[in-house]
Order: sequence, then C-alpha cells, then structure tokens
Amino acid sequence: GDSVTQMEGPVTLSEEAFLTINCTYTATGYPSLFWYVQYPGEGLQLLLKATKADDKGSNKGFEATYRKETTSFHLEKGSVQVSDSAVYFCALSDQGNTGFQKLVFGTGTRLLVSP
Amino acid sequence: GAGVSQSPRYKVAKRGQDVALRCDPISGHVSLFWYQQALGQGPEFLTYFQNEAQLDKSGLPSDRFFAERPEGSVSTLKIQRTQQEDSAVYLCASTLGGWETQYFGPGTRLLVL
Repeated sequence: GDSVTQMEGPVTLSEEAFLTINCTYTATGYPSLFWYVQYPGEGLQLLLKATKADDKGSNKGFEATYRKETTSFHLEKGSVQVSDSAVYFCALSDQGNTGFQKLVFGTGTRLLVSP
Repeated sequence: GAGVSQSPRYKVAKRGQDVALRCDPISGHVSLFWYQQALGQGPEFLTYFQNEAQLDKSGLPSDRFFAERPEGSVSTLKIQRTQQEDSAVYLCASTLGGWETQYFGPGTRLLVL
C-alpha cells in the first residue's frame, strides 16, 4: 500500500539556520502531498500542500516541491526561528476511488530550534 | 471561531474496561475522520463519516472498535474491552467536504493499564 518515509529526528538547529526535512513516498497512483505541523499542546495543522508533479507548496517561509521522478517532497526553510520548534509530518492522500482524502502519514520529525 | 474539540483530553482505563471518546467537529462540517496515533508514530486512519453515514471503516483495528455519528455532528469512538495495545492518542478531524483541508482536534490520550 501507499507509504511515507521521513527522516528521523530530532533535528536540532540554531536560529536562522537552513532547514531541510526529507520525505519520500510510495504510491500506486498520483497522490497529493502534504506537510502538517504539530506545535506543543496543539492539534495537527496543515502547513502546505501540492497536488501534482512539479507543484511547489509554500507557507510561513516553508516550501516543498512535488518531485515525481524522485518520489520526494522535502520540506525547506531558509531561516528557522525558535517558534518553528514542533513536530512535522509528511503525508499523502490516496486519489483513487475512495471519494475522500484518506491521509497516510510519515512518523514525524521533531525540530528543535535554539536561540 | 471554534475548532474541533475532543473530550476527554486524557483517559486512563484498566484493561478490559470500555471507553468512549467524543469529538465535536467544526459547525457545518460534513466530513469527519478518526485517526489513531501510537507513541512515536504518525496518525493512522481509522474511519470516515459523511454526515451520519460511515463510509469507510477499513482502519478500525478490531471489532472492539466502534464509531458512530448519529445526527451527523458529534461523533463517538467506542473501544470495548480495552487492551494495552490500544494505548495511543486518538485524533478527530473534520472538513467541509471529503477532499477539503482536514482540521484536527487536540486529541484524546488513552492509557490502558
């Protein structure tokens, strides 16, 4: 079945450092791809998404490009802040005949940013 | 406006007890999802409702798990005869439609002793 693999954490960075969190996927069809973020004590929030190959999703300075040839959707940010400390989940949705957005998540990567 | 709310936030159960977890979706949201998140893992799909109809329950791990949404709003996830492996965070999400952005609640952390 469909699956998502993302780099293990924690990722520890100093403020203003460059961030990359790797994500690759396996899917039989043409999934949509997502990054969700979970801040301490809060629910999962959609950070960005891309629905087809070569699309770039972006939000709050974060970016990720849907790369069909490498089946990847790596998350990047040019300059992280302490407030970006959270757990980041890569996910895909099966675009088959389910009739709804059935999300498949990776295991999550914890990001810790120090001042 | 109000987001998705879940109650209780924490639940400790003795093995063999029945538990009921509640989800209040965003008002007007037609679709509702339940996910199970084990420690150190990503959320895993359990079941999906469109209004009161349970259209997919393929992720429910056993027949001890049962979900309902009788009036197409509030949903309850019930786990009968809880086992230690049921310990997890149970997440609820709602959307305007099946393909729209899912809004997640804070989750219910269940610990089975």
